[in-house]
Amino acid sequence: EAGVTQFPSHSVIEKGQTVTLRCDPISGHDNLYWYRRVMGKEIKFLLHFVKESKQDESGMPNNRFLAERTGGTYSTLKVQPAELEDSGVYFCASSPPLRGSPLHFGNGTRLTVT
Amino acid sequence: GQSLEQPSEVTAVEGAIVQINCTYQTSGFYGLSWYQQHDGGAPTFLSYNALDGLEETGRFSSFLSRSDSYGYLLLQELQMKDSASYFCAVRDEDNQGGKLIFGQGTELSVKP
Repeated sequence: EAGVTQFPSHSVIEKGQTVTLRCDPISGHDNLYWYRRVMGKEIKFLLHFVKESKQDESGMPNNRFLAERTGGTYSTLKVQPAELEDSGVYFCASSPPLRGSPLHFGNGTRLTVT
Repeated sequence: GQSLEQPSEVTAVEGAIVQINCTYQTSGFYGLSWYQQHDGGAPTFLSYNALDGLEETGRFSSFLSRSDSYGYLLLQELQMKDSASYFCAVRDEDNQGGKLIFGQGTELSVKP
């Protein structure tokens, strides 16, 4: 089966610009998660979709971040306007609707805000 | 708050055994998982402990003590390819898709 795919793999933008990250989960995985890792720190939870609904968005840092999952398939994470502290690697993960299922991660999008 | 503590880095030689500890403090606990990440790539699942005790998967074993809020990952017969970052993670909700809370990761360097 195809794994979780993320696009782009790298993005360099200037402060104040907008960036949209995309994640295609594994087919049939109702659960979709966004995480972020800043250099040397933990993989920090951002939010969790179950199909097209936001189950938990407690990790979203502020209203500059907007996540969507239209139709319960792929998801986008938009940062507008980007700030320097938004730099990091954004990971998407998915899992099937089974209790205790492990997360399948994509390779991440490395975002650099200059 | 919710936190997981693990050593930032560990160094060992090929063929040796290494143990990576993890202590956690979370609002809920529904299992401890371990993930491996090579060179900043996709984290991949290694093991999961829902109950106390030892789980063995080949050269890797994972242990959990819920009363101590503690677990560890044991890697035996270390190989150069085991050099990677290892993350412990706690699932804090008992449902079909509860999020994982991750630690900061332990960077393991395996030397020849």
